[in-house]
Amino acid sequence: DTEVTQTPKHLVMGMTNKKSLKCEQHMGHRAMYWYKQKAKKPPELMFVYSYEKLSINESVPSRFSPECPNSSLLNLHLHALQPEDSALYLCASSPRGGGMGEKLFFGSGTQLSVL
Amino acid sequence: DAKTTQPPSMDCAEGRAANLPCNHSTISGNEYVYWYRQIHSQGPQYIIHGLKNNETNEMASLIITEDRKSSTLILPHATLRDTAVYYCIVRVADFGNEKLTFGTGTRLTIIP
Repeated sequence: DTEVTQTPKHLVMGMTNKKSLKCEQHMGHRAMYWYKQKAKKPPELMFVYSYEKLSINESVPSRFSPECPNSSLLNLHLHALQPEDSALYLCASSPRGGGMGEKLFFGSGTQLSVL
Repeated sequence: DAKTTQPPSMDCAEGRAANLPCNHSTISGNEYVYWYRQIHSQGPQYIIHGLKNNETNEMASLIITEDRKSSTLILPHATLRDTAVYYCIVRVADFGNEKLTFGTGTRLTIIP
Protein backbone atom coordinates (compact mmCIF):
# COMPACT_ATOMS: atom_id res chain seq x y z
CA ASP A 1 0.00 0.00 0.00
CA THR A 2 1.71 3.20 -1.19
CA GLU A 3 -1.21 5.52 -0.70
CA VAL A 4 -1.88 8.51 1.46
CA THR A 5 -5.63 8.77 1.97
CA GLN A 6 -7.29 12.08 2.76
CA THR A 7 -10.88 12.61 3.83
CA PRO A 8 -13.10 14.33 3.00
CA LYS A 9 -12.26 15.18 -0.62
CA HIS A 10 -14.39 18.30 -0.50
CA LEU A 11 -15.53 20.38 2.46
CA VAL A 12 -17.66 23.51 2.68
CA MET A 13 -17.81 25.25 6.04
CA GLY A 14 -18.98 28.48 7.56
CA MET A 15 -16.72 30.81 9.47
CA THR A 16 -18.17 29.70 12.81
CA ASN A 17 -17.92 25.97 12.15
CA LYS A 18 -15.45 23.48 13.57
CA LYS A 19 -14.33 20.74 11.23
CA SER A 20 -11.42 18.32 10.87
CA LEU A 21 -9.42 17.02 7.95
CA LYS A 22 -8.04 13.51 8.19
CA CYS A 23 -5.02 11.83 6.64
CA GLU A 24 -3.95 8.20 6.88
CA GLN A 25 -1.01 6.16 5.61
CA HIS A 26 -0.03 2.54 6.16
CA MET A 27 3.48 2.60 4.73
CA GLY A 28 5.16 2.74 8.12
CA HIS A 29 6.30 6.30 7.50
CA ARG A 30 7.37 8.30 10.54
CA ALA A 31 7.05 11.83 9.15
CA MET A 32 3.78 13.46 8.10
CA TYR A 33 3.12 16.86 6.60
CA TRP A 34 0.35 19.37 5.96
CA TYR A 35 0.61 21.68 2.96
CA LYS A 36 -1.79 24.39 1.80
CA GLN A 37 -2.22 25.19 -1.90
CA LYS A 38 -4.09 28.17 -3.28
CA ALA A 39 -5.31 28.06 -6.86
CA LYS A 40 -2.50 28.30 -9.44
CA LYS A 41 0.15 28.56 -6.69
CA PRO A 42 2.69 26.01 -5.43
CA PRO A 43 2.04 24.07 -2.22
CA GLU A 44 3.14 25.84 0.96
CA LEU A 45 4.33 23.89 4.00
CA MET A 46 2.23 24.33 7.15
CA PHE A 47 3.27 21.64 9.65
CA VAL A 48 5.60 18.66 9.93
CA TYR A 49 5.31 15.83 12.44
CA SER A 50 8.35 13.65 12.92
CA TYR A 51 7.95 10.50 15.05
CA GLU A 52 4.57 11.83 16.20
CA LYS A 53 6.02 15.08 17.54
CA LEU A 54 5.43 18.46 15.94
CA SER A 55 8.79 19.46 14.50
CA ILE A 56 7.91 22.33 12.17
CA ASN A 57 5.15 24.96 12.40
CA GLU A 58 5.53 27.52 9.64
CA SER A 59 3.91 30.31 11.68
CA VAL A 60 0.45 29.02 10.89
CA PRO A 61 -2.49 30.86 12.56
CA SER A 62 -3.92 29.12 15.62
CA ARG A 63 -7.26 28.56 13.88
CA PHE A 64 -5.43 25.60 12.29
CA SER A 65 -4.57 22.95 14.88
CA PRO A 66 -2.70 19.79 13.85
CA GLU A 67 -2.82 16.51 15.69
CA CYS A 68 -0.93 13.26 15.20
CA PRO A 69 -2.68 10.57 17.30
CA ASN A 70 -0.34 7.83 16.07
CA SER A 71 2.22 7.23 13.36
CA SER A 72 -0.43 6.40 10.74
CA LEU A 73 -2.86 9.25 11.31
CA LEU A 74 -2.70 13.01 10.94
CA ASN A 75 -5.56 15.41 11.58
CA LEU A 76 -5.98 19.10 10.94
CA HIS A 77 -8.61 20.73 13.14
CA LEU A 78 -10.22 23.86 11.74
CA HIS A 79 -11.99 26.54 13.75
CA ALA A 80 -13.16 30.07 12.95
CA LEU A 81 -11.65 30.05 9.48
CA GLN A 82 -11.74 32.97 7.09
CA PRO A 83 -12.78 32.93 3.42
CA GLU A 84 -9.12 33.43 2.45
CA ASP A 85 -8.38 30.04 4.02
CA SER A 86 -10.21 28.40 1.13
CA ALA A 87 -7.61 26.18 -0.57
CA LEU A 88 -6.53 22.64 -1.33
CA TYR A 89 -5.06 21.04 1.79
CA LEU A 90 -2.52 18.35 1.04
CA CYS A 91 -1.19 15.70 3.38
CA ALA A 92 2.09 13.91 2.75
CA SER A 93 4.26 11.32 4.44
CA SER A 94 7.87 10.22 4.20
CA PRO A 95 9.82 7.35 5.74
CA ARG A 96 12.00 9.22 8.24
CA GLY A 97 11.67 12.97 7.84
CA GLY A 98 14.75 14.17 5.99
CA GLY A 99 17.78 12.16 5.03
CA MET A 100 19.36 11.12 1.75
CA GLY A 101 16.90 10.22 -0.95
CA GLU A 102 13.85 10.92 1.17
CA LYS A 103 10.69 11.00 -0.94
CA LEU A 104 7.39 12.51 0.03
CA PHE A 105 4.17 10.71 -0.84
CA PHE A 106 1.18 13.01 -1.21
CA GLY A 107 -2.53 12.44 -0.90
CA SER A 108 -5.01 13.93 -3.38
CA GLY A 109 -6.01 16.64 -0.96
CA THR A 110 -9.13 18.13 0.57
CA GLN A 111 -10.63 21.06 -1.33
CA LEU A 112 -11.87 23.42 1.37
CA SER A 113 -14.29 26.27 0.81
CA VAL A 114 -15.00 28.71 3.65
CA LEU A 115 -18.17 30.74 3.25
CA ASP B 1 17.58 25.52 0.83
CA ALA B 2 18.80 26.99 -2.46
CA LYS B 3 16.37 28.77 -4.75
CA THR B 4 15.47 27.42 -8.19
CA THR B 5 14.41 29.12 -11.42
CA GLN B 6 12.22 27.40 -14.01
CA PRO B 7 10.44 28.64 -17.13
CA PRO B 8 6.76 29.22 -16.33
CA SER B 9 5.45 27.13 -19.21
CA MET B 10 6.51 24.80 -22.02
CA ASP B 11 4.84 22.82 -24.79
CA CYS B 12 5.97 19.48 -26.18
CA ALA B 13 4.58 17.30 -28.95
CA GLU B 14 3.26 13.91 -27.94
CA GLY B 15 5.84 11.18 -28.47
CA ARG B 16 8.78 13.57 -28.39
CA ALA B 17 11.24 14.03 -25.53
CA ALA B 18 10.32 16.78 -23.09
CA ASN B 19 13.34 18.60 -21.66
CA LEU B 20 12.59 20.73 -18.62
CA PRO B 21 15.41 23.03 -17.42
CA CYS B 22 16.08 24.21 -13.90
CA ASN B 23 18.61 26.75 -12.69
CA HIS B 24 19.98 26.40 -9.15
CA SER B 25 23.14 28.51 -9.28
CA THR B 26 23.39 28.87 -5.48
CA ILE B 27 23.21 25.15 -4.74
CA SER B 28 25.44 23.89 -1.94
CA GLY B 29 27.55 20.76 -1.98
CA ASN B 30 25.20 18.82 0.28
CA GLU B 31 21.97 19.76 -1.51
CA TYR B 32 20.13 17.29 -3.69
CA VAL B 33 18.04 18.15 -6.75
CA TYR B 34 14.51 16.74 -6.61
CA TRP B 35 11.76 16.79 -9.22
CA TYR B 36 8.07 16.43 -8.47
CA ARG B 37 5.08 16.93 -10.71
CA GLN B 38 1.46 17.79 -10.01
CA ILE B 39 -1.25 16.70 -12.36
CA HIS B 40 -4.41 18.78 -12.16
CA SER B 41 -6.51 18.08 -9.05
CA GLN B 42 -3.99 15.64 -7.62
CA GLY B 43 -1.24 15.82 -5.02
CA PRO B 44 2.39 16.22 -6.14
CA GLN B 45 4.16 13.05 -7.27
CA TYR B 46 7.86 12.29 -6.80
CA ILE B 47 9.73 11.77 -10.09
CA ILE B 48 13.47 11.58 -9.48
CA HIS B 49 16.35 13.05 -7.50
CA GLY B 50 20.14 13.30 -7.74
CA LEU B 51 23.25 14.82 -6.19
CA LYS B 52 25.83 15.14 -8.96
CA ASN B 53 25.61 12.09 -11.18
CA ASN B 54 23.01 11.69 -13.90
CA GLU B 55 20.10 9.52 -12.82
CA THR B 56 17.48 7.50 -14.68
CA ASN B 57 14.41 5.64 -13.52
CA GLU B 58 11.25 4.32 -15.12
CA MET B 59 9.71 7.78 -15.29
CA ALA B 60 12.49 10.11 -16.36
CA SER B 61 16.17 11.01 -16.58
CA LEU B 62 17.92 13.74 -14.63
CA ILE B 63 20.95 15.45 -16.10
CA ILE B 64 22.96 17.63 -13.69
CA THR B 65 25.71 19.86 -15.05
CA GLU B 66 29.23 19.32 -13.79
CA ASP B 67 29.19 22.56 -11.78
CA ARG B 68 25.74 21.55 -10.42
CA LYS B 69 24.33 25.01 -11.14
CA SER B 70 21.61 23.67 -13.41
CA SER B 71 19.80 20.47 -14.31
CA THR B 72 17.40 19.10 -16.91
CA LEU B 73 14.56 16.67 -16.41
CA ILE B 74 13.96 14.53 -19.49
CA LEU B 75 10.71 12.69 -20.18
CA PRO B 76 11.85 10.50 -23.07
CA HIS B 77 8.53 9.88 -24.85
CA ALA B 78 5.96 12.36 -23.61
CA THR B 79 2.31 11.33 -23.48
CA LEU B 80 -0.82 13.38 -22.86
CA ARG B 81 -0.80 12.09 -19.27
CA ASP B 82 2.49 13.93 -18.69
CA THR B 83 0.68 17.28 -18.87
CA ALA B 84 1.32 18.72 -15.40
CA VAL B 85 3.20 21.33 -13.39
CA TYR B 86 6.79 20.19 -12.81
CA TYR B 87 8.65 21.40 -9.74
CA CYS B 88 12.43 21.44 -9.38
CA ILE B 89 13.49 21.57 -5.72
CA VAL B 90 16.89 21.60 -4.05
CA ARG B 91 17.03 20.26 -0.55
CA VAL B 92 19.64 19.39 2.06
CA ALA B 93 19.50 15.67 2.75
CA ASP B 94 19.85 15.83 6.52
CA PHE B 95 17.81 13.98 9.09
CA GLY B 96 15.68 16.53 10.86
CA ASN B 97 15.45 18.72 7.76
CA GLU B 98 12.01 17.72 6.67
CA LYS B 99 11.22 20.82 4.64
CA LEU B 100 10.36 20.44 0.98
CA THR B 101 9.82 23.94 -0.42
CA PHE B 102 8.13 24.24 -3.80
CA GLY B 103 8.96 27.00 -6.28
CA THR B 104 6.60 28.19 -8.99
CA GLY B 105 7.36 25.27 -11.35
CA THR B 106 6.94 24.76 -15.11
CA ARG B 107 3.52 24.08 -16.58
CA LEU B 108 4.19 21.44 -19.26
CA THR B 109 1.51 20.90 -21.90
CA ILE B 110 1.77 17.87 -24.16
CA ILE B 111 0.21 18.59 -27.54
CA PRO B 112 -1.41 15.76 -29.55
